[in-house]
Amino acid sequence: KNEVEQSPQNLTAQEGEFITINCSYSVGISALHWLQQHPGGGIVSLFMLSSGKKKHGRLIATINIQEKHSSLHITASHPRDSAVYICAVGSSGSARQLTFGSGTQLTVLP
Amino acid sequence: EAGVAQSPRYKIIEKRQSVAFWCNPISGHATLYWYQQILGQGPKLLIQFQNNGVVDDSQLPKDRFSAERLKGVDSTLKIQPAKLEDSAVYLCASSRIQSNEQFFGPGTRLTVL
Repeated sequence: KNEVEQSPQNLTAQEGEFITINCSYSVGISALHWLQQHPGGGIVSLFMLSSGKKKHGRLIATINIQEKHSSLHITASHPRDSAVYICAVGSSGSARQLTFGSGTQLTVLP
Repeated sequence: EAGVAQSPRYKIIEKRQSVAFWCNPISGHATLYWYQQILGQGPKLLIQFQNNGVVDDSQLPKDRFSAERLKGVDSTLKIQPAKLEDSAVYLCASSRIQSNEQFFGPGTRLTVL
């Protein structure tokens, strides 16, 4: 069973700051997902990656397969980025299940 | 493309009452997941369907929880009777067969008093 650890659990930043959220996992995976959850509860997929780096606007996600570690970066943070960010890893098996981290609560102050 | 639909969005019940949640996945998505997310935690898989068959229900508390997807499209999750510790957000997600990407619904926030 995969263990997914995220850090930090809570993060408060000033608008414009560069933010990093980290995720580590214990066993091999098929893919790693970064998800965003706003207070209403719905979850939106930000990235799905299995190697290297992906960029979308001000968001960058990287993964190091050998070290079983991924980071989510937000450049020029904005109050609308305030949300819970969740790392999830996909199993290698046929069931295609996700194991989730406990999330990082990000608050960006104006 | 319409997203995953869930209803109701919010539900408040007293302990020992029954409650049911409904999910309609994205059209063409054969795989459907129900998750329970307790405040401050990540989602936990309750049950996974592929078409109308159960792939995994190992973490479903079967003494009080049940789920069905009779026609392989929409699904219902029921809790009977509810306990205080069932207060959580219940998320439904769907995906294409053998896809790593899941699409999530808005969730149902359940409060058990």
